[in-house]
Parts: sequence; structure tokens; C-alpha cells
Amino acid sequence: DTAVSQTPKYLVTQMGNDKSIKCEQNLGHDTMYWYKQDSKKFLKIMFSYNNKELIINETVPNRFSPKSPDKAHLNLHINSLELGDSAVYFCASSRRGASTDTQYFGPGTRLTVL
Amino acid sequence: DAKTTQPNSMESNEEEPVHLPCNHSTISGTDYIHWYRQLPSQGPEYVIHGLTSNVNNRMASLAIAEDRKSSTLILHRATLRDAAVYYCILKIYNQGGKLIFGQGTELSVKP
Repeated sequence: DTAVSQTPKYLVTQMGNDKSIKCEQNLGHDTMYWYKQDSKKFLKIMFSYNNKELIINETVPNRFSPKSPDKAHLNLHINSLELGDSAVYFCASSRRGASTDTQYFGPGTRLTVL
Repeated sequence: DAKTTQPNSMESNEEEPVHLPCNHSTISGTDYIHWYRQLPSQGPEYVIHGLTSNVNNRMASLAIAEDRKSSTLILHRATLRDAAVYYCILKIYNQGGKLIFGQGTELSVKP
């Protein structure tokens, strides 16, 4: 069983569209994250949720809205997609978000905006 | 911004040990040192972490300098599957567990 899964794996869309990426973890963790890896391979934290509550928002544009229906799911909705949103998006989870916790990453969703 | 400095790339021969260095001169007493790696076309995966003492697990060893301003990830016998980008990360206390990635070290392993 996959610990952290993301759908879809690939997403190709036009500028201006709205799209969502889904993430699920079956590890029983309380904390989930979204990271963005750009074309230069830099990985950057976007959001973190703990028990459905937003705890980290790293000055991401308002067009990005995470939603956590329960602690096993953290979805990412993106409005009015722009060319610069093209990247690989990784979901991750950890037990509590403590300094000692290990983060488990999903396989990534490659978003291409045309 | 990442608080660690690593060489951009390193090369190793298969079945030989690899020592991946990391400098973190601004580390504070409560920061944990974590290492993750990212294999091609995959998400990052946890390797090891430590605070002050050296650590061993089935994947690697972590040697931490006495002043904690540097650390070294040791792969005891590199395999082709170990070719990846290795990230040394300081996990800061009470910051929600977020990982701040630097540029990492791209390790290539020659057969």
C-alpha cells in the first residue's frame, strides 16, 4: 500500500484554468504538507496542515487554496493557472510536525501550464 | 533561505564509501540535522537525522562535529541505486516541521 498518494500524476492544462491536485496518506499522521519543485529543482514548502488546521502558509499567492476535509487528505486547488505555476508538486505527511519527525513524500504531480 | 551549504556534486565508485559534507555554521541548540535524498523522478525520501551524537541506521551513518557546525552523511558502500540528490536540512524547533531545502549535492555513482 502506498503511504502517501497523489492524483493525478501528470496534469496538462491551459492558462487561466482552475485545477485540483489530491493527496491522501494512510499513515495515520496528523500533519500534511505541500511542496513545490520548480524547473531549477528547488523544493519549497507551500503549506502545512495539522489536524485539518492551517499552520504554515509560505506567502503563496491567493490563487492557491489548500483544503483538508480530514486529517488523511490535503488537496490543493489552483485558480487562474499561470505559466509560472508549471512545476512538480509534492505532498508529504509526518506524525506531528515535530523537529524529530520524518516526512514521507508522495510521488509528485507534474503540472504543465500551456 | 536554506541554512546549510553543500557541494553541488560529488562522484563515487560503486561499492566504495561516500562521505557527503554539510556546513551549518548558524545552527542553534535545538535545530535537528536531517538528511533526505531525491532519486530521479521521485519524491524526497528520509535518510537519517540527529541532534548531537553520531547516528547509524540501515541506510547510512551521520557524523556530527562536536561544535555542530558541520556534519557528514556516510554511505558505507555506494550502489548505483544511491545516485540521487542529497539534501542536508536543519529542522528548526517549533516551526511546524517544515523542511527548508537547499540545492543539495548531486551524487553520481560509477560502476
